[in-house]
Amino acid sequence: DIQMTQSPASLSASLGETVTIECRASEDIYNGLAWYQQKPGKSPQLLIYNANSLHTGVPSRFSGSGSGTQYSLKINSLQSEDVASYFCQQYYDYYTFGAGTKLELK
Amino acid sequence: QVQLKESGPVLVQASETLSLTCTVSGFSLTNYGVIWVRQPPGKGLEWMGIIWRNGNTDYNSALKSRLSINRDTSKSQVFLKMNSLQTDDTAIYYCTRNYGPKSVMDAWGQGASVTVSS
Repeated sequence: DIQMTQSPASLSASLGETVTIECRASEDIYNGLAWYQQKPGKSPQLLIYNANSLHTGVPSRFSGSGSGTQYSLKINSLQSEDVASYFCQQYYDYYTFGAGTKLELK
Repeated sequence: QVQLKESGPVLVQASETLSLTCTVSGFSLTNYGVIWVRQPPGKGLEWMGIIWRNGNTDYNSALKSRLSINRDTSKSQVFLKMNSLQTDDTAIYYCTRNYGPKSVMDAWGQGASVTVSS
């Protein structure tokens, strides 16, 4: 099974800041990587798929990059509504999620 | 509008069987698969199993011996059954939409909170 290692586990940032979350796969997942946002008390929502494609309706301050085993999610100009947990997921070989990153405002 | 909605018991006794229903609208189960995902309180996400659009199923190897998923396409419903429940099966259970192999979960239900009591 493919393992996903996500870092950091938690992150505190100020409004307007740029934040980056990393995800490493245990083997090459050929860009089969998605990012999900989960706000408190809500279900996860798809942000990015195929490592760098923005899902419909997602603000352009979110971006994804990476290849092979290393991937990242960047949020430019952090907004208050971005406070949430973020999960990476590989879907190259069935499905595995990262442990999540909890993003809070400083 | 694409919607998925989970329903089922809130409280289940340990060693019993959990039965959940996912009712979908806005798309056909013959065009999309449905994946079940669960999230224990304060923890991460675990995929449980999938019923593909052709009706075939695959399961997480960690749950395979206890889990079954089937569907009624005429009612737009997908059913999850998991037996021999333990307290660590306490979680929010989500159903999600999936287009096919190597594709994402592009729509999620609101989740069904299930507590397993000993």
